[in-house]
Amino acid sequence: KAGVTQTPRYLIKTRGQQVTLSCSPISGHRSVSWYQQTPGQGLQFLFEYFSETQRNKGNFPGRFSGRQFSNSRSEMNVSTLELGDSALYLCASRPDGLYGYTFGSGTRLTVV
Amino acid sequence: AQTVTQSQPEMSVQEAETVTLSCTYDTSESDYYLFWYKQPPSRQMILVIRQEAYKQQNATENRFSVNFQKAAKSFSLKISDSQLGDAAMYFCAYSYEKLTFGTGTRLTIIP
Repeated sequence: KAGVTQTPRYLIKTRGQQVTLSCSPISGHRSVSWYQQTPGQGLQFLFEYFSETQRNKGNFPGRFSGRQFSNSRSEMNVSTLELGDSALYLCASRPDGLYGYTFGSGTRLTVV
Repeated sequence: AQTVTQSQPEMSVQEAETVTLSCTYDTSESDYYLFWYKQPPSRQMILVIRQEAYKQQNATENRFSVNFQKAAKSFSLKISDSQLGDAAMYFCAYSYEKLTFGTGTRLTIIP
């Protein structure tokens, strides 16, 4: 059974640009959530999607957005990138009704 | 708001010995989940063990066990017979609608 797949693994962007990260959950998992990991702030919840609907959102500015497709794949978009957006972005999926989150390997975003 | 506190930024243990990592949390909910995740340098977050709050029995997974004290809001992880491959950052996490993580404990295994 394939795990959670995040692409790309590494990304370098310039301040002011926008970026889209992708996450493919484990087959059958309809819930996908995103997290930002930085040395200063640690792991912070961004948002969770279930069946194409955003179910929960963390305390991040509107520049951070996401969506989920009918096949449960999810994308996260960050517009007008700032240096502080440099982080490891992790995606996790879980089965319906259960709370065992499986994480992907993350996308390392560097903003220069 | 829920918070998770890991008061030990770093821990070290001799190979084959036992180590306990501490975690406390704050919540007003009665039904929730707690997790310990391991993040090695490869950065993949790996689920170590899970505890449902409504279960009084402490969870165990091979060499890993927890001491769950619901009234005290404490959730410690015990690693027995430590192995070199256990070296990693360990994160305690609380789940009610979303995952809230602690700041992590870096575990070093001394050969």
